[in-house]
Amino acid sequence: GAGVSQSPSNKVTEKGKDVELRCDPISGHTALYWYRQSLGQGLEFLIYFQGNSAPDKSGLPSDRFSAERTGGSVSTLTIQRTQQEDSAVYLCASSIPPGQGSQKLFFGSGTQLSVL
Amino acid sequence: SQQGEEDPQALSIQEGENATMNCSYKTSINNLQWYRQNSGRGLVHLILIRSNEREKHSGRLRVTLDTSKKSSSLLITASRAADTASYFCATPPRGTSYGKLTFGQGTILTVHP
Repeated sequence: GAGVSQSPSNKVTEKGKDVELRCDPISGHTALYWYRQSLGQGLEFLIYFQGNSAPDKSGLPSDRFSAERTGGSVSTLTIQRTQQEDSAVYLCASSIPPGQGSQKLFFGSGTQLSVL
Repeated sequence: SQQGEEDPQALSIQEGENATMNCSYKTSINNLQWYRQNSGRGLVHLILIRSNEREKHSGRLRVTLDTSKKSSSLLITASRAADTASYFCATPPRGTSYGKLTFGQGTILTVHP
């Protein structure tokens, strides 16, 4: 596709369940980011993948959160044992490799996660 | 804490008026970017200004950067109802042009027809 694709667009789950959110970045973009945006809040960085380097996980709020990126393309963000405070919009973005210019981010439309 | 802090938090204007939003940041930067978000979903990149630039234009957008004051402003001229959105400034890690961006809290702009 031409843009960053995220699925599902909406996810409703029960407290304690695990969820997986998927992101398909723009082809050729080696950098991939996950952000979280809670109601009325700014964008909170979660994790950053750059090529084959070890991911920057410094933004993950707890060990219930994990992410992987297979084959340098699609990424999955997994939240285990969801809590109500996990309810937010989860945004994925991708960008060109470093050294090819300043990186502006291309965002997907996000996944609205609601934990009941 | 957020690298960028926008001001004002909310702005309400009439169509045709100009809208000015400000952003302050804490560390030295290589560039500063502005993004727009409609209805709380995906963000769209608007404009990027490098640290050696003082002003940049793109259509009805004008961005200024004052590195001595660590601040930037985004001016939208002749606003339209369709400009209603949240606007965020963002900066890369200190000393780099790439990597995870740190976003400010945003300014909510409402343009009344």
